[in-house]
Amino acid sequence: DTEVTQTPKHLVMGMTNKKSLKCEQHMGHRAMYWYKQKAKKPPELMFVYSYEKLSINESVPSRFSPECPNSSLLNLHLHALQPEDSALYLCASSQVAHRVGGDEQYFGPGTRLTVT
Amino acid sequence: DAKTTQPNSMESNEEEPVHLPCNHSTISGTDYIHWYRQLPSQGPEYVIHGLTSNVNNRMASLAIAEDRKSSTLILHRATLRDAAVYYCILRALTGNQFYFGTGTSLTVIP
Repeated sequence: DTEVTQTPKHLVMGMTNKKSLKCEQHMGHRAMYWYKQKAKKPPELMFVYSYEKLSINESVPSRFSPECPNSSLLNLHLHALQPEDSALYLCASSQVAHRVGGDEQYFGPGTRLTVT
Repeated sequence: DAKTTQPNSMESNEEEPVHLPCNHSTISGTDYIHWYRQLPSQGPEYVIHGLTSNVNNRMASLAIAEDRKSSTLILHRATLRDAAVYYCILRALTGNQFYFGTGTSLTVIP
């Protein structure tokens, strides 16, 4: 099974709401990622987890809070978002965190987030 | 991080070969060249990667210039399902960071 699943597919939230995005993989991957993608733009890296520990935070505002409760799950907690945070949020995973040259990343279909 | 430059868009006729170029003049000696594509309404998917030698797989071929300052992704027979945005990415020797370039939007004409 080479699938990365993301829930929900769509999410509409107000600026005062708290919500969470969920990502799951069962490929035994030990690195997981969150990306943000605005319309007609490339994905932008937000966070990287290696062996369930946060290894990279690309200076993301604290209103985005990632969590990796186990090697198969990755959450992104959202609080007090702004309308400009509306985007497609992509989750990805890869097999080995630090193999030379990098492993291919498997992406989920994304969660389309709208902040009103 | 080393950057990549790609044409914004390209067109190809169905069943013709497609050559998608990528310039990466600031590539370091240990950067790997990765290609991903993103079909409409989907997450990106891996296509191919290489370091110095040309690479082939079931999806495509990757031709890397001798000085490594450029590379070309080759789709041997374009199909309508190959219409996507193709991203050329440089990945450091170790580490998980993936920084996408602007990509090339490929249109396949029936």
